[in-house]
Amino acid sequence: DAGITQSPRYKITETGRQVTLMCHQTWSHSYMFWYRQDLGHGLRLIYYSAAADITDKGEVPDGYVVSRSKTENFPLTLESATRSQTSVYFCASSESNRQPQHFGDGTRLSIL
Amino acid sequence: AQSVTQLGSHVSVSEGALVLLRCNYSSSVPPYLFWYVQYPNQGLQLLLKYTTGATLVKGINGFEAEFKKSETSFHLTKPSAHMSDAAEYFCAVSDLSRTSGTYKYIFGTGTRLKVLA
Repeated sequence: DAGITQSPRYKITETGRQVTLMCHQTWSHSYMFWYRQDLGHGLRLIYYSAAADITDKGEVPDGYVVSRSKTENFPLTLESATRSQTSVYFCASSESNRQPQHFGDGTRLSIL
Repeated sequence: AQSVTQLGSHVSVSEGALVLLRCNYSSSVPPYLFWYVQYPNQGLQLLLKYTTGATLVKGINGFEAEFKKSETSFHLTKPSAHMSDAAEYFCAVSDLSRTSGTYKYIFGTGTRLKVLA
C-alpha cells in the first residue's frame, strides 16, 4: 500500500549519542518535512526538502541534520542527542507547498 | 507575516452539541487553508481544505468549514458532536512568503476537543 512510514516508532537513547530517524514515502511526493511536537508548542518545523538533494531549515533546525539523496527517503539525524530533543517526531510529505501534507505515525524519542 | 491563530487550546462540548473550532489567519495573497485532525498516537490526517471556489467546504466525518475573507477566518464546525470526535485539531495555511517568494505551510498550535457524555 502507498503511504508514509516512520521508523522506529519508539526509541530510547542517552545524551551524546547519535540517532537517526527514518522516513519513507511511496507516493513520489516532491516535498518532505520533519516536525517535532511538544506539549504547549504544537508542531514545529525542523527541516524540509523540496526535492532530492534540496533541503532547507525550518523553525528549529539546531542539533539536527537531514539528507535527501532519494526522493522517497528523508532521514533525520541527531548528531549528539540532548534531553531537550526528547519529543515526538513526525515526518510528512506533499506534492507541493500548496497541497495537503500526509503524515507518518510518528517516532516517540526519549533521551535520558 | 503569515500566521495562523487558533482560539482556545481546549474546547469541551456535550455529545450531540455543535462543535465550533476557531481559526484566523493572516495572509499576503489569497490563501489555501486546511484543517487536520490528530488522534492519540497517530499523525495528522486531512479533514478538509479550501483552495478556490465555493467558500463552504465539506470534509470527512461530517465536518465543514467556511472561508470568510472579510473576517480572515476559517472556522471548523460540526452540527452534532460524537464521542469519536475527541481529538486535537490543527488549522493550517499555505501562503506566499514575501521575503523568500516561495510558498510556506504554517500550522496553528492546535485545539484539543473533549466530548462529554
